[in-house]
Amino acid sequence: AQKVTQAQTEISVVEKEDVTLDCVYETRDTTYYLFWYKQPPSGELVFLIRRNSFDEQNEISGRYSWNFQKSTSSFNFTITASQVVDSAVYFCALSDEKTSYDKVIFGPGTSLSVIP
Amino acid sequence: SQTIHQWPATLVQPVGSPLSLECTVEGTSNPNLYWYRQAAGRGLQLLFYSVGIGQISSEVPQNLSASRPQDRQFILSSKKLLLSDSGFYLCAWSVRAAAFNYGYTFGSGTRLTVV
Repeated sequence: AQKVTQAQTEISVVEKEDVTLDCVYETRDTTYYLFWYKQPPSGELVFLIRRNSFDEQNEISGRYSWNFQKSTSSFNFTITASQVVDSAVYFCALSDEKTSYDKVIFGPGTSLSVIP
Repeated sequence: SQTIHQWPATLVQPVGSPLSLECTVEGTSNPNLYWYRQAAGRGLQLLFYSVGIGQISSEVPQNLSASRPQDRQFILSSKKLLLSDSGFYLCAWSVRAAAFNYGYTFGSGTRLTVV
């Protein structure tokens, strides 16, 4: 069965520190999609990135970077030089063939607090 | 560009009262539509999703129902609210594509408190 695990429930860092949010997924399909979403205190979920299972190239977008490793079924998210505005709940998610790609399975989320 | 509208933003309803939350999408056709609920301090629970007009899939048995009367309109309803229906309700849409998922775009959410 599909599953997304985010073992870190809450993380607190001091501003300007780097922080990595872990995501481990389970799927039996060879074609699948992984996502990260950010939920700031306002509540609306913001799409950050999509990665398909055939593209293991790491991606960097400004202070954000993602490390996709199929060998360990992980899709970790690193924020470099964290800022207070990064404080939010971050969700990792998975979509695969079993759900006909129509649905996304979300992890439980990691709450990040960046302390000034 | 595509936009998703969800209203109201907040709602306080007494136990036993009816509920209707509406979500509309603009700038796209034939979207997949979703209703999620997020209880306080918890993760996202998929309630319903729809791949077309009149096509509703229910993910969990509950006191709620959903309808899709038009292509870009998705409504979440209840005849009688329970205290346990309190939470943050999020509507989302995605491009309908075979064997592909572009990801969701979420609405701004409705914070429902049942008293």
